[in-house]
Amino acid sequence: SFVVTQTPSVSVAPGDTATITCGGNNIGSKNVHWYQQEPGQAPVLVIYYDSGRPSGIPERFSGSNSGNTATLTINRVEAGDEADYYCQVWDSSTDLGVFGGGTKLTVL
Amino acid sequence: QVQLQESGPGLVRPSETLSLTCTVSGGSLRSYYWSWIRQPPGKGLEWIGDVHYTGSAKSTPSLKSRVTMSVDMSVNQFSLKLSPVTAADTALYFCARRSGGESYYRDWGQGTLVIVSA
Repeated sequence: SFVVTQTPSVSVAPGDTATITCGGNNIGSKNVHWYQQEPGQAPVLVIYYDSGRPSGIPERFSGSNSGNTATLTINRVEAGDEADYYCQVWDSSTDLGVFGGGTKLTVL
Repeated sequence: QVQLQESGPGLVRPSETLSLTCTVSGGSLRSYYWSWIRQPPGKGLEWIGDVHYTGSAKSTPSLKSRVTMSVDMSVNQFSLKLSPVTAADTALYFCARRSGGESYYRDWGQGTLVIVSA
């Protein structure tokens, strides 16, 4: 099955840009979705289909996907952005869902 | 606005069956895929599988032999059974919805913690 990998942790200062990546073999050919999860809470969709932003998600959140890496970018990071972020892809060859291992974003 | 709510025992003995139900309110089961996703304490999300409203189901290979999923349209619920369980199945279990033709999850339940212990 398709494997996606994420850096376990990213740390940024308030106001800076956070870059969270999701790697996989030719992941650029797949649709990647991103979720934000705070402790004990259900995940919240923040980016869908690589770069779509659901209503209610700030424009500071953006996504891209090319080659072997998908990227979630958070501009002008705020303390409230501190959370775990997960990428998710759909493996069309097996028709199964796959999550990355998650990245903990720490706002210094 | 659809709402999903998981329910089931919070404690299951090893080698027994974990049974969870997700009740859907504010919407029909029709035309959607209904999924189960779990998260062991301190770890990441794991996709378990999903079931179409028609009853067709798929699950991740590592759990496939132990997973059964079903839909009950009459009471707007879908369910997960995992058997037999071990301590490694201790996790926060989420139910979620995805639209047919889509591959992301916009709607989630709040999650229910299941501990496997004697």
